Amino acid sequence: GAGVSQTPSNKVTEKGKYVELRCDPISGHTALYWYRQSLGQGPEFLIYFQGTGAADDSGLPNDRFFAVRPEGSVSTLKIQRTERGDSAVYLCASSPGPSSYNEQFFGPGTRLTVL
Amino acid sequence: QQQVKQSPQSLIVQKGGISIINCAYENTAFDYFPWYQQFPGKGPALLIAIRPDVSEKKEGRFTISFNKSAKQFSLHIMDSQPGDSATYFCAAPLAGTALIFGKGTTLSVSS
Repeated sequence: GAGVSQTPSNKVTEKGKYVELRCDPISGHTALYWYRQSLGQGPEFLIYFQGTGAADDSGLPNDRFFAVRPEGSVSTLKIQRTERGDSAVYLCASSPGPSSYNEQFFGPGTRLTVL
Repeated sequence: QQQVKQSPQSLIVQKGGISIINCAYENTAFDYFPWYQQFPGKGPALLIAIRPDVSEKKEGRFTISFNKSAKQFSLHIMDSQPGDSATYFCAAPLAGTALIFGKGTTLSVSS
């Protein structure tokens, strides 16, 4: 079956611009996570959705970052007034349910470059 | 403190050798310890995971050893192969269900 897909695969933008990153989770997975991975680092948690609601957004670095999942499937991560420090690979993961013992299936990521 | 500390940062092993990667944690509430494998340009993928009620878990050439008293766990890759060359991350669950990851170990297996 299809895995987690993310679009675009690469995004280059200028400082101050607005960007949207999309995640299509595995069908039927109710839990969805966004992580950010900087070069040479492990993924860093941003936000977790269970269904349509953000169950934990404690990892969002500031109010320029926002994410939605209006129908409990596709999710969009939105970054306003981008800064050069936002450059990273943004990873999306989904899992069948909210248990921490469930495997998280990761997408290939969106590489964001802010010039 | 919610951290996992991973070592070494990089590792070079000859084909057929044993690769060992270590992680230490501080939060005794952690109760699940997965290892993820990541190839360049790909997202991480679950390799093997352990719960602290057992001291060891083996799946094929991959073994997790867990030392609860020392708050450490390690990944052993037996008979390492060039196809194992990748970055490996240990992880543990944050409060809730998201994961906190180590900084990663880049493994190179020479043929």
